[in-house]
Amino acid sequence: SAVISQKPSRDICQRGTSLTIQCQVDSQVTMMFWYRQQPGQSLTLIATANQGSEATYESGFVIDKFPISRPNLTFSTLTVSNLSPEDSSIYLCSSPEGTVNTEAFFGQGTRLTVV
Amino acid sequence: LAKTTQPISMDSYEGQEVNITCSHNNIATNDYITWYQQFPSQGPRFIIQGYKTKVTNEVASLFIPADRKSSTLSLPRVSLSDTAVYYCLVGRDDKIIFGKGTRLHILP
Repeated sequence: SAVISQKPSRDICQRGTSLTIQCQVDSQVTMMFWYRQQPGQSLTLIATANQGSEATYESGFVIDKFPISRPNLTFSTLTVSNLSPEDSSIYLCSSPEGTVNTEAFFGQGTRLTVV
Repeated sequence: LAKTTQPISMDSYEGQEVNITCSHNNIATNDYITWYQQFPSQGPRFIIQGYKTKVTNEVASLFIPADRKSSTLSLPRVSLSDTAVYYCLVGRDDKIIFGKGTRLHILP
């Protein structure tokens, strides 16, 4: 199974600044997903990142706020821009594995606190 | 993606078998049923996946009736460490969308 390393594991940021989260996979993968999970809630899909093309964003998420890079098949970054306290959450990346894409592996998450 | 419905929470005792049922009335022909487990402060972990009948691995069993409109995750002889949130998903090649999950609490 794939191993996904995500960093930072946590950060405290000032409002108005940005945080870039990195996700490294130990094997080449076509698709990567970025999620947000607010305390006590389920995961909400932010966007799907494919190598060589622009990310596809879900309703309610825009590129200006959550720019994503996917420079190669093992790496992706998510930036959360112009931070506000409402952005305080856990952000996770994942990658599907196997013949059915609903079998996926997740990073450990980045806990962001905006003050 | 087919919508899923599962209980919000469940309690059980150590050593018991726990069954969590998920409803997915609009499952498509090509959809698979997948279950994830999430512990606090960790990312979700894939548990099991199936298409029909029964699937078993070292962690759990998944029972899927012939009409595939529901599925049951069975955890044999649970321990305190099985306390987690369990998510049921249906789909295949599409993006992975999580429902609300079932918060399972194992009591001593």
